[in-house]
Amino acid sequence: GAVVSQHPSRVICKSGTSVKIECRSLDFQATTMFWYRQFPKQSLMLMATSNEGSKATYEQGVEKDKFLINHASLTLSTLTVTSAHPEDSSFYICSARDTSALYGYTFGSGTRLTVV
Amino acid sequence: RKEVEQDPGPFNVPEGATVAFNCTYSNSASQSFFWYRQDCRKEPKLLMSVYSSGNEDGRFTAQLNRASQYISLLIRDSKLSDSATYLCVVNSPRGNTGKLIFGQGTTLQVKP
Repeated sequence: GAVVSQHPSRVICKSGTSVKIECRSLDFQATTMFWYRQFPKQSLMLMATSNEGSKATYEQGVEKDKFLINHASLTLSTLTVTSAHPEDSSFYICSARDTSALYGYTFGSGTRLTVV
Repeated sequence: RKEVEQDPGPFNVPEGATVAFNCTYSNSASQSFFWYRQDCRKEPKLLMSVYSSGNEDGRFTAQLNRASQYISLLIRDSKLSDSATYLCVVNSPRGNTGKLIFGQGTTLQVKP
């Protein structure tokens, strides 16, 4: 089946630094990937839609200059949290849509970011 | 009003019990509906899609009522391993972007 690899799974960084999270589709091509954030006891909130070869589409309230998304190939999208602050600590999850399968959304295993 | 609403629970049930979760969605143009399962600190995993005619997968039965914009999940003969958070998920019909909208999730705890 479709597999999405996300790493790192866990990262701790200092305030003010940047963190890059990678999301790869391993056995299918994904022209579209989605980035979500999940705070404790809350649901997944879509941050942005990453489109291969074009600019990402951000949801309302998500700062595009803070959460940089790059989707340079059909199998890789990256999310960079720039100038991280403690309030950015969260669980970040990517999802890719396998367009060859009906409604084929596959999730990465998530990245737990802690900013200290 | 949230686009997808669920009772967060928790639902505490004994092994072997039957438990039902409900979900309502606000956009009548939504076309795709799913139940996902999420274990603590893990990514969501697809449990089942929900079809208009209702569908069953083993101990799990999903129902959709488009008129009421209501989705349900029934779990029969609960197992300890069913303990998790169950997410009601609906596609966003705006712009055919493939976006999914997640409910808050309903937490189930099955006790021995």
